[in-house]
Amino acid sequence: NAGVTQTPKFQVLKTGQSMTLQCAQDMNHNSMYWYRQDPGMGLRLIYYSASEGTTDKGEVPNGYNVSRLNKREFSLRLESAAPSQTSVYFCASSEEPPFLRDRDGEQYFGPGTRLTVT
Amino acid sequence: AQSVSQHNHHVILSEAASLELGCNYSYGGTVNLFWYVQYPGQHLQLLLKYFSGDPLVKGIKGFEAEFIKSKFSFNLRKPSVQWSDTAEYFCAVKDDKIIFGKGTRLHILP
Repeated sequence: NAGVTQTPKFQVLKTGQSMTLQCAQDMNHNSMYWYRQDPGMGLRLIYYSASEGTTDKGEVPNGYNVSRLNKREFSLRLESAAPSQTSVYFCASSEEPPFLRDRDGEQYFGPGTRLTVT
Repeated sequence: AQSVSQHNHHVILSEAASLELGCNYSYGGTVNLFWYVQYPGQHLQLLLKYFSGDPLVKGIKGFEAEFIKSKFSFNLRKPSVQWSDTAEYFCAVKDDKIIFGKGTRLHILP
């Protein structure tokens, strides 16, 4: 199993350009997540998808959109990139959504995409 | 809303020293607790987790953590660190969502 895969690994954009970050998991997990990681800020949740067909905003959704294309794939789109979106983006998945009390909620992370917006 | 505090932002230790990294969450009820580790240039991976049962949890690479419900704490410990433990460590709490702490950067001197 590859686990969680992300493409691309690195990307440089100019302000105003758009791009889509791709994420796929092969663990048959129901829930998927997009985080950004910035120095001193830890991980902040951008959007998540509790199950196929649903998406919800996280802590920092502004400037982003997501699509849960199917159970395996969850993409993150930047419509008009800004320098403030320079970050490392991680996709993650879990078997079940965190609001299910009887599941431990362990997440599996992809390798990350390092995005620079100039 | 639930929050997670990791009190040590940056820790420097020599090899063979003992390690304790603090993690506190803001309120109780039924929670699940995690420590994740991120080695330089790599993605986050699970170190250990508490779901239920014995509050002393043992994880990979000799790490352990103790859940103390009365103190809302889940501190990470290792009796003798190695240079290869240099990494960033994240505590996370799950109640109806998963909240991560800001991370502790651990640097081990050879």
